[in-house]
Amino acid sequence: EDQVTQSPEALRLQEGESSSLNCSYTVSGLRGLFWYRQDPGKGPEFLFTLYSAGEEKEKERLKATLTKKESFLHITAPKPEDSATYLCAVPLSNFGNEKLTFGTGTRLTIIP
Amino acid sequence: DAGVTQSPTHLIKTRGQQVTLRCSPISGHKSVSWYQQVLGQGPQFIFQYYEKEERGRGNFPDRFSARQFPNYSSELNVNALLLGDSALYLCASSLDGPGNTIYFGEGSWLTVV
Repeated sequence: EDQVTQSPEALRLQEGESSSLNCSYTVSGLRGLFWYRQDPGKGPEFLFTLYSAGEEKEKERLKATLTKKESFLHITAPKPEDSATYLCAVPLSNFGNEKLTFGTGTRLTIIP
Repeated sequence: DAGVTQSPTHLIKTRGQQVTLRCSPISGHKSVSWYQQVLGQGPQFIFQYYEKEERGRGNFPDRFSARQFPNYSSELNVNALLLGDSALYLCASSLDGPGNTIYFGEGSWLTVV
């Protein structure tokens, strides 16, 4: 069964304090791993898609990396506006990309 | 360019009632999917439609139904509402095919009392 596990559940950092969020997955035949950012009461906002082990993508203070069993979202020198819940997701096996299995997310709080 | 738009944004219903949620995909996107997100959890897949045909269904009861129209907009219907149906209902759209990004709308908040 496809599973996505995110850790930690919640993370509080001081402004400028770098850290990493983890997403581990068990899926047969990975067809991509997606990272989204979700602000309270809003829909998920797309950040990155990773397809193969060793792939890295960056956007501002965020960098996503992928291995054969997990993905990391590294946040460098975060600012308060980076506070949000970060979700990772993988496509369900035997379905197309549109059917995603999500983790429960990491709730990130950046303290000024 | 407009993103995925959903309506209504918030609504309150009574147990046993029926609700219809609406979604307009990004222009050019023919695939629409629906997700349910309860507080503290990640979104759960409900349905996917492509070219007006249902392509997949998640583990939800038959009280949940959906359809897609010729202009690719979509409706999600939930009958005989239960308290446990209270959630954020998300619509997402994408171009068809593997590797395409799935974009989400802001969601419809449903509260069942």
